[in-house]
Amino acid sequence: FMLTQPHSVSESPGKTVTISCTRSSGNIASNYVQWYQQRPGSSPTTMIYEDNQRASGVPDRFSGSIDTSSNSASLTISGLKTEDEADYYCQSYDSLWVFGGGTKLTVL
Amino acid sequence: QVQLVESGGGLVKPGGSLRLSCAASGFTFSDDYMSWIRQAPGKGLEWISYISSSGNTIFYADSVKGRFTISRDNAKNSLYLQMNSLRAEDTALYYCVRRSSSWTLYWGQGTLVTVSS
Repeated sequence: FMLTQPHSVSESPGKTVTISCTRSSGNIASNYVQWYQQRPGSSPTTMIYEDNQRASGVPDRFSGSIDTSSNSASLTISGLKTEDEADYYCQSYDSLWVFGGGTKLTVL
Repeated sequence: QVQLVESGGGLVKPGGSLRLSCAASGFTFSDDYMSWIRQAPGKGLEWISYISSSGNTIFYADSVKGRFTISRDNAKNSLYLQMNSLRAEDTALYYCVRRSSSWTLYWGQGTLVTVSS
Protein backbone atom coordinates (compact mmCIF):
# COMPACT_ATOMS: atom_id res chain seq x y z
CA PHE A 1 0.00 0.00 0.00
CA MET A 2 1.00 3.66 -0.27
CA LEU A 3 0.53 6.66 1.98
CA THR A 4 -0.22 9.94 0.19
CA GLN A 5 0.43 13.34 1.76
CA PRO A 6 0.13 16.83 0.32
CA HIS A 7 3.47 18.07 -0.92
CA SER A 8 3.24 21.32 1.03
CA VAL A 9 1.01 23.37 3.31
CA SER A 10 1.37 26.86 4.68
CA GLU A 11 -0.32 28.82 7.41
CA SER A 12 0.22 31.83 9.60
CA PRO A 13 1.57 31.83 13.15
CA GLY A 14 -1.14 31.20 15.74
CA LYS A 15 -3.41 29.41 13.27
CA THR A 16 -4.24 25.72 12.99
CA VAL A 17 -3.11 23.42 10.18
CA THR A 18 -4.01 19.83 9.37
CA ILE A 19 -1.83 17.49 7.31
CA SER A 20 -3.54 14.47 5.78
CA CYS A 21 -2.18 11.01 5.04
CA THR A 22 -4.33 8.73 2.90
CA ARG A 23 -3.81 4.98 2.75
CA SER A 24 -4.24 3.56 -0.75
CA SER A 25 -5.41 0.08 0.19
CA GLY A 26 -6.25 -1.76 3.35
CA ASN A 27 -7.98 -0.28 6.37
CA ILE A 28 -6.26 2.71 7.96
CA ALA A 29 -7.41 1.44 11.36
CA SER A 30 -5.77 -1.95 10.90
CA ASN A 31 -2.26 -0.70 11.65
CA TYR A 32 -1.07 2.21 13.74
CA VAL A 33 -0.05 5.46 12.08
CA GLN A 34 2.92 7.48 13.27
CA TRP A 35 4.04 11.05 12.47
CA TYR A 36 7.60 12.34 12.35
CA GLN A 37 8.99 15.86 12.21
CA GLN A 38 12.22 16.63 10.39
CA ARG A 39 13.74 20.06 10.63
CA PRO A 40 16.35 21.05 8.03
CA GLY A 41 19.67 19.38 8.68
CA SER A 42 18.34 17.20 11.49
CA SER A 43 17.22 13.63 11.95
CA PRO A 44 13.50 12.92 12.16
CA THR A 45 11.84 12.78 15.56
CA THR A 46 8.64 11.03 16.57
CA MET A 47 5.75 13.40 17.21
CA ILE A 48 2.73 11.06 17.26
CA TYR A 49 2.69 7.28 17.62
CA GLU A 50 -0.10 4.72 17.59
CA ASP A 51 -2.50 7.08 15.78
CA ASN A 52 -2.94 9.68 18.50
CA GLN A 53 -0.34 9.31 21.24
CA ARG A 54 2.05 12.22 21.72
CA ALA A 55 5.67 11.25 22.10
CA SER A 56 7.51 12.37 25.19
CA GLY A 57 8.14 16.11 25.21
CA VAL A 58 5.79 16.88 22.33
CA PRO A 59 3.51 19.83 23.14
CA ASP A 60 -0.23 19.26 23.22
CA ARG A 61 -0.56 21.62 20.24
CA PHE A 62 0.15 18.48 18.19
CA SER A 63 -2.56 15.86 17.81
CA GLY A 64 -3.18 12.84 15.63
CA SER A 65 -6.33 11.12 14.48
CA ILE A 66 -7.61 8.61 11.96
CA ASP A 67 -10.78 8.70 9.85
CA THR A 68 -11.97 5.36 8.53
CA SER A 69 -14.50 6.99 6.19
CA SER A 70 -11.70 8.58 4.17
CA ASN A 71 -9.14 5.91 5.06
CA SER A 72 -6.79 8.59 6.19
CA ALA A 73 -4.85 9.87 9.16
CA SER A 74 -4.31 13.48 10.11
CA LEU A 75 -1.79 15.51 12.03
CA THR A 76 -3.19 18.73 13.44
CA ILE A 77 -1.00 21.50 14.78
CA SER A 78 -2.72 24.33 16.61
CA GLY A 79 -1.27 27.66 17.72
CA LEU A 80 1.35 27.46 14.99
CA LYS A 81 4.84 28.70 15.81
CA THR A 82 7.65 29.49 13.43
CA GLU A 83 9.62 26.64 15.01
CA ASP A 84 7.00 24.18 13.67
CA GLU A 85 8.26 24.84 10.16
CA ALA A 86 9.58 21.47 9.04
CA ASP A 87 8.89 18.39 6.95
CA TYR A 88 6.32 15.99 8.37
CA TYR A 89 6.06 12.32 7.45
CA CYS A 90 3.35 9.82 8.20
CA GLN A 91 4.22 6.13 8.51
CA SER A 92 2.35 2.88 8.86
CA TYR A 93 2.97 -0.78 8.16
CA ASP A 94 1.71 -4.22 7.35
CA SER A 95 4.57 -6.72 7.17
CA LEU A 96 6.63 -3.89 5.65
CA TRP A 97 6.97 -0.34 6.85
CA VAL A 98 5.66 2.46 4.62
CA PHE A 99 6.32 6.20 4.73
CA GLY A 100 4.31 8.94 3.13
CA GLY A 101 6.14 11.25 0.77
CA GLY A 102 6.34 14.03 3.32
CA THR A 103 4.70 17.44 3.68
CA LYS A 104 6.65 20.65 3.89
CA LEU A 105 5.01 22.97 6.43
CA THR A 106 5.72 26.65 6.00
CA VAL A 107 4.73 29.01 8.80
CA LEU A 108 4.64 32.51 7.41
CA GLN B 1 19.45 8.50 26.96
CA VAL B 2 19.05 6.59 23.70
CA GLN B 3 22.10 6.86 21.46
CA LEU B 4 22.44 5.39 17.99
CA VAL B 5 25.74 6.04 16.26
CA GLU B 6 26.12 4.98 12.65
CA SER B 7 29.43 4.42 10.89
CA GLY B 8 30.80 2.89 7.72
CA GLY B 9 29.45 5.24 5.10
CA GLY B 10 31.57 6.65 2.32
CA LEU B 11 32.18 6.83 -1.40
CA VAL B 12 31.92 3.58 -3.34
CA LYS B 13 31.83 2.73 -7.03
CA PRO B 14 28.75 1.24 -8.67
CA GLY B 15 28.71 -2.51 -8.12
CA GLY B 16 30.76 -2.17 -4.96
CA SER B 17 29.99 -3.11 -1.37
CA LEU B 18 29.84 -1.36 1.96
CA ARG B 19 29.01 -2.43 5.50
CA LEU B 20 27.26 -0.02 7.83
CA SER B 21 27.35 -0.38 11.59
CA CYS B 22 25.25 1.14 14.35
CA ALA B 23 26.35 1.23 17.98
CA ALA B 24 23.40 1.44 20.35
CA SER B 25 23.31 2.54 23.97
CA GLY B 26 20.92 3.91 26.57
CA PHE B 27 18.35 1.13 26.26
CA THR B 28 18.11 -2.66 26.33
CA PHE B 29 19.15 -3.37 22.76
CA SER B 30 18.08 -7.01 22.81
CA ASP B 31 14.48 -6.04 23.60
CA ASP B 32 13.76 -3.96 20.53
CA TYR B 33 13.24 -4.19 16.79
CA MET B 34 15.81 -2.27 14.79
CA SER B 35 15.65 -0.85 11.31
CA TRP B 36 17.56 0.96 8.60
CA ILE B 37 15.85 3.87 6.89
CA ARG B 38 17.44 6.02 4.23
CA GLN B 39 16.95 9.45 2.73
CA ALA B 40 18.31 10.39 -0.67
CA PRO B 41 19.52 14.00 -1.00
CA GLY B 42 16.52 16.32 -1.03
CA LYS B 43 14.07 13.41 -0.94
CA GLY B 44 11.77 11.73 1.56
CA LEU B 45 12.26 8.85 3.95
CA GLU B 46 12.50 5.31 2.59
CA TRP B 47 12.30 2.30 4.85
CA ILE B 48 14.85 -0.37 3.85
CA SER B 49 14.76 -3.21 6.35
CA TYR B 50 13.92 -4.24 9.89
CA ILE B 51 15.02 -7.04 12.16
CA SER B 52 13.25 -8.38 15.21
CA SER B 53 14.77 -8.32 18.68
CA SER B 54 16.00 -11.91 18.39
CA GLY B 55 16.98 -11.59 14.74
CA ASN B 56 14.54 -14.30 13.69
CA THR B 57 12.25 -12.00 11.70
CA ILE B 58 13.67 -9.88 8.89
CA PHE B 59 11.99 -7.95 6.10
CA TYR B 60 13.36 -5.88 3.22
CA ALA B 61 11.97 -3.29 0.86
CA ASP B 62 11.80 -4.51 -2.73
CA SER B 63 14.35 -1.88 -3.75
CA VAL B 64 17.13 -3.60 -1.77
CA LYS B 65 15.98 -7.22 -1.49
CA GLY B 66 18.70 -9.63 -2.57
CA ARG B 67 21.40 -6.96 -2.36
CA PHE B 68 21.30 -5.79 1.27
CA THR B 69 21.50 -7.89 4.44
CA ILE B 70 20.54 -6.68 7.89
CA SER B 71 21.95 -8.34 11.00
CA ARG B 72 22.48 -7.65 14.68
CA ASP B 73 24.74 -8.71 17.51
CA ASN B 74 22.87 -8.36 20.79
CA ALA B 75 26.01 -9.11 22.79
CA LYS B 76 27.67 -6.08 21.20
CA ASN B 77 24.58 -3.86 21.09
CA SER B 78 25.17 -3.42 17.40
CA LEU B 79 23.16 -3.36 14.19
CA TYR B 80 24.64 -3.90 10.74
CA LEU B 81 23.74 -3.45 7.09
CA GLN B 82 25.76 -5.25 4.45
CA MET B 83 25.19 -3.54 1.10
CA ASN B 84 26.27 -5.29 -2.10
CA SER B 85 25.84 -4.48 -5.80
CA LEU B 86 25.45 -0.82 -4.97
CA ARG B 87 23.79 1.49 -7.47
CA ALA B 88 23.74 5.24 -7.94
CA GLU B 89 20.18 5.30 -6.61
CA ASP B 90 21.42 3.88 -3.30
CA THR B 91 23.11 7.21 -2.61
CA ALA B 92 21.53 8.46 0.60
CA LEU B 93 21.88 9.22 4.28
CA TYR B 94 21.32 5.93 6.10
CA TYR B 95 19.67 6.11 9.52
CA CYS B 96 19.83 3.46 12.22
CA VAL B 97 16.43 3.41 13.92
CA ARG B 98 15.13 1.79 17.09
CA ARG B 99 11.47 0.84 17.40
CA SER B 100 10.49 0.81 21.04
CA SER B 101 7.76 -1.45 22.46
CA SER B 102 5.30 1.26 21.52
CA TRP B 103 5.49 2.47 17.97
CA THR B 104 8.01 5.18 18.87
CA LEU B 105 11.02 5.43 16.56
CA TYR B 106 14.37 6.77 17.72
CA TRP B 107 16.79 7.87 15.01
CA GLY B 108 20.54 8.16 14.78
CA GLN B 109 22.30 11.01 13.01
CA GLY B 110 22.87 8.97 9.89
CA THR B 111 25.85 7.97 7.79
CA LEU B 112 26.20 9.12 4.19
CA VAL B 113 26.65 6.61 1.40
CA THR B 114 27.62 7.94 -2.02
CA VAL B 115 27.68 5.60 -5.00
CA SER B 116 29.54 7.16 -7.89
CA SER B 117 32.25 6.34 -10.37
